Amino acid sequence: EAHLVESGGNLVQPGGSLRLSCAASGFTFSSYAMGWVRQAPGKGLEWVSAISGSGGSTYNADSVKGRFTISRDNSKNTLFLQMNSLRAEDTALYYCAKTSYGSGVSYILWGQIDQWGLGTLVTVSS
Amino acid sequence: QSALTQPPSASGSPGQSVTISCTGTSSDVGGYNYVSWYQQHPGKAPRLMIYEVSERPSGVPDRFSGSKSGNTASLTVSGLQAEDEADYYCSSYADNKSLVFGGGTKLTVL
Repeated sequence: EAHLVESGGNLVQPGGSLRLSCAASGFTFSSYAMGWVRQAPGKGLEWVSAISGSGGSTYNADSVKGRFTISRDNSKNTLFLQMNSLRAEDTALYYCAKTSYGSGVSYILWGQIDQWGLGTLVTVSS
Repeated sequence: QSALTQPPSASGSPGQSVTISCTGTSSDVGGYNYVSWYQQHPGKAPRLMIYEVSERPSGVPDRFSGSKSGNTASLTVSGLQAEDEADYYCSSYADNKSLVFGGGTKLTVL
């Protein structure tokens, strides 16, 4: 059974940087597209980034373009989210998300996200 | 990309049916058959309930069904049970190669 564990969340000042990680186990990591979805406290879900199984195709939400970079290390079964130029509105619980439908990044963009981690909290505040 | 529009709340008694709507535009809901629905209990991660408008993942009860007409998608929960009380979010693929979510609907089982 797939298991996703996020880490790296912390309190950071506006303008700062953080790198989130998601350690995956229980499945062939490179065979599935992955992504990040966030949820601000008391608010709804917001898609952040998506990456194909090979790592060769990535997409970001307009709200994070130019600031966040998604990547993966298939040799270490780990997904990353490098977050730069952080803003107060980036404060949220960040979920690592996986699709079981295939390696194409489209499966995440089509909303076929059937496995989630428990999330890691990012707080941007001075 | 703007969030999809959902009613903030919905309710029904045990055994009844309730339908939650999700309204977008021709650039998202109306343009693609890639609408999904997620259930989220308090303090828990979301769970995929419906994908591609009306498909159910393995393990999801057939009490949950999805449909779409024009720019509006709907989730229907039949035979309401206490454990169905949760927040529900719709999502859709959008024109600019993105995924957009709705604002969420709190379903209360009376």
